[in-house]
Amino acid sequence: DQQVKQNSPSLSVQEGRISILNCGYTNSMFDYFLWYKKYPAEGPTFLISISSIKDKNEDGRFTVFLNKSAKHLSLHIVPSQPGDSAVYFCAASAGSYQLTFGKGTKLSVIP
Amino acid sequence: DSGVTQTPKHLITATGQRVTLRCSPRSGDLSVYWYQQSLDQGLQFLIQYYNGEERAKGNILERFSAQQFPDLHSELNLSSLELGDSALYFCASSATGAGEQYFGPGTRLTVT
Repeated sequence: DQQVKQNSPSLSVQEGRISILNCGYTNSMFDYFLWYKKYPAEGPTFLISISSIKDKNEDGRFTVFLNKSAKHLSLHIVPSQPGDSAVYFCAASAGSYQLTFGKGTKLSVIP
Repeated sequence: DSGVTQTPKHLITATGQRVTLRCSPRSGDLSVYWYQQSLDQGLQFLIQYYNGEERAKGNILERFSAQQFPDLHSELNLSSLELGDSALYFCASSATGAGEQYFGPGTRLTVT
């Protein structure tokens, strides 16, 4: 049973445009959500997080939106840059501190 | 650079063997986590230690074990290795055992 789902294995976006990566979850106990970026041959890098008491969090070009009623979160990258090309993982925790990850979405930003 | 180090970077071994993966957390971080990433799979949580004590267990096989030492480094021991154990093994650390986790570069294990 996959509790965190990233249904799009890949996404291609033109440089300068907005990238929107989506993530759904099924466990109502999740109360903290994170996005990680991963380049080949490297470990995941923490990008941005959001607590369930908020519906939006911004950090520079990255914004995460949380819709608790829909059990859905999204990561917006504006503007997209070629260096953003990577695999993006959505993760969630339910107070027990361990993270449950989605399978990732590969973002390709085309110059 | 996350500040989390893992050794070795690559490991090739035969079925039935035993290996030890090592992780040093970021300076000051008390919690260490181990994850496995197999082909086409997301990151699967294996086990968490906090200040030397086991805090949480995930999908860790009985053939696998881990420990965290007084200097806070951690080791993941994999024994009776099978072909299906071939994967990337990541270590992560966090300051308090909650919130953001910072990942090491991983150890790629190949079992032949």
